[in-house]
Amino acid sequence: QLQLQESGPGLVKPSETLSLTCTVSGDSISSSGSCWGWIRQPPGKGLEWIGSIYYSGSTYYNPSLKSRVTISVDTSKNQFSLKLSSVTAADTAVYYCARHRWAVRPDFDYWGQGTLVTVSS
Amino acid sequence: QSALTQPASVSGSPGQSITISCTGTSSDIGGYNYVSWYQQHPGKAPKLMIYDVTNRPSGVSNRFSGSKSGNTASLTISGLQAEDEADYYCSSHTSSSGHVVFGGGTKLTVL
Repeated sequence: QLQLQESGPGLVKPSETLSLTCTVSGDSISSSGSCWGWIRQPPGKGLEWIGSIYYSGSTYYNPSLKSRVTISVDTSKNQFSLKLSSVTAADTAVYYCARHRWAVRPDFDYWGQGTLVTVSS
Repeated sequence: QSALTQPASVSGSPGQSITISCTGTSSDIGGYNYVSWYQQHPGKAPKLMIYDVTNRPSGVSNRFSGSKSGNTASLTISGLQAEDEADYYCSSHTSSSGHVVFGGGTKLTVL
């Protein structure tokens, strides 16, 4: 059974960089065609796609966040990561990592439990 | 990148059927058969209920069905049950740079 687990600081100061890692277990992150994504949800609000990465390293980002986002993959650790720079209070959210069912399509079939990141001084 | 448009809330009684709409444009819903629906209970991660407009992942009840007409996709839940009370989100492929866009979400209340 595929499982994903987010990890990283729960509190980040304004203007600093938010860094999260998603550890995948139960399958190889390098499985042919596999694609992995980050989605966030501000408290009481809806879902927002942040970006996705193929196992090969190709990346796709939400245009509204592109200038501040970097997603990378470490196949040796079966992990992929998110960095979001210059954060503000508006970046406070539950951050989820998830697997695309196929390619960079809008269907995520496995999700992590989510991790709350608060931006505050 | 604008979110897809969903009604804020819908409600129905046990046993009834309800439909949640999701309206986009020709650049997303209208242009591709890549529409998904998610169910999210409070404090939980979303769960994929429908993909590629009409397909159900293994294990999802056949009371859930999806459809699309033009720029609008719909999720229908038949035989409403108490456990269906949740937030529902649609998502679509988009041709604007990026690939994925979500709807604003709909809160389903089972009366």
